[in-house]
Amino acid sequence: AQTVTQSQPEMSVQEAETVTLSCTYDTSESNYYLFWYKQPPSRQMILVIRQEAYKQQNATENRFSVNFQKAAKSFSLKISDSQLGDTAMYFCAFMNLQGAQKLVFGQGTRLTINP
Amino acid sequence: KAGVTQTPRYLIKTRGQQVTLSCSPISGHRSVSWYQQTPGQGLQFLFEYFSETQRNKGNFPGRFSGRQFSNSRSEMNVSTLELGDSALYLCASSRDGSNYGYTFGSGTRLTVV
Repeated sequence: AQTVTQSQPEMSVQEAETVTLSCTYDTSESNYYLFWYKQPPSRQMILVIRQEAYKQQNATENRFSVNFQKAAKSFSLKISDSQLGDTAMYFCAFMNLQGAQKLVFGQGTRLTINP
Repeated sequence: KAGVTQTPRYLIKTRGQQVTLSCSPISGHRSVSWYQQTPGQGLQFLFEYFSETQRNKGNFPGRFSGRQFSNSRSEMNVSTLELGDSALYLCASSRDGSNYGYTFGSGTRLTVV
């Protein structure tokens, strides 16, 4: 079974700083996707960024980028020029492409951006 | 384009009762998945429906069930409610249930007293 671990329960940075959230996962599969989701107080899970395991190039979406280390099974999220609106819970998630296509989530990191 | 709509947003039920939650996916999305979110267990997969068929199921007791209608709307039902069923229930839809990620609704907060 796949597992996803986020080792930082909480993080806090000043506005405009850069912050990196850590995620490691465990799987024996080779074809999978990795995601970062953001959950603000509104409760809706919002997709931030996704990475296909077969791609070596790290995904980027504006201020959000990932550092995907397949051999190390590591998938960290970097937020540049952080904004107050980035304050939220961030969840790392794994989805296998074979078998049951379900998201396996980490426990989340509560990120606070301070003015 | 309308997002994923979940109703109701809040619900309070008594132990032993049953409850039905509703999810309307994004137009054109045929896959609907349900997740339970609790402080202790985090986010856990309940089941996925695709074209009215349950395609995948998580590790939950048979009290948890669901269905999907021909218009892709989905309902999940929990019978004989227990205090531990108190949670945020999130619904997510996708076009075909795979690689582009899911669009989530804002969830239904169920409290069992």
